[in-house]
Amino acid sequence: GENVEQHPSTLSVQEGDSAVIKCTYSDSASNYFPWYKQELGKGPQLIIDIRSNVGEKKDQRIAVTLNKTAKHFSLHITETQPEDSAVYFCAASNARFGAGTRLTVKP
Amino acid sequence: DAGVIQSPRHEVTEMGQEVTLRCKPISGHNSLFWYRQTMMRGLELLIYFNNNVPIDDSGMPEDRFSAKMPNASFSTLKIQPSEPRDSAVYFCASSRSGGAMDYGYTFGSGTRLTVV
Repeated sequence: GENVEQHPSTLSVQEGDSAVIKCTYSDSASNYFPWYKQELGKGPQLIIDIRSNVGEKKDQRIAVTLNKTAKHFSLHITETQPEDSAVYFCAASNARFGAGTRLTVKP
Repeated sequence: DAGVIQSPRHEVTEMGQEVTLRCKPISGHNSLFWYRQTMMRGLELLIYFNNNVPIDDSGMPEDRFSAKMPNASFSTLKIQPSEPRDSAVYFCASSRSGGAMDYGYTFGSGTRLTVV
């Protein structure tokens, strides 16, 4: 099966701290790994992505790392702010999404 | 760019009625996806089209669900007859991808369906 597992399901951090969300996938043919942020009442929005020929990608406070050998990838958010509070989803090339992580950033 | 446009935003219907959800993808995107989101099951892929052709409909729950894409700018998801367990938020997304996911998706705002 083409599963994507995501952990943790909930994450609460203090403003300014870092947050890390991890995903594992099973399909070794997957070569594209996006992350989406979903705010209340809205559709998911692409925030960063990585392809299998790259090990890490950064965009300001967010970064994604990929370990193809271990079949896992992670989202890193540094200097978290209250507006980072949302549900975050990972996905793999087969269009299946992880179960989501509800991130709460406490002011 | 108006993004992916879904209609209606909210739909309340009685059990047994037919429901039609509509989606207009971003112009130039050649892949279109329908997802269902519930608290229990998360984001489930129902079906996706590439160049208007259904590629993977393995996520369609049962024969009561059907989807069409008559042209590059329009798709429908139909439920007939509807049941209370179909209550969910249904999202449409489009992508310029040639495969299931080679590029990121742009999601619509969703249709919140309530079947009573």
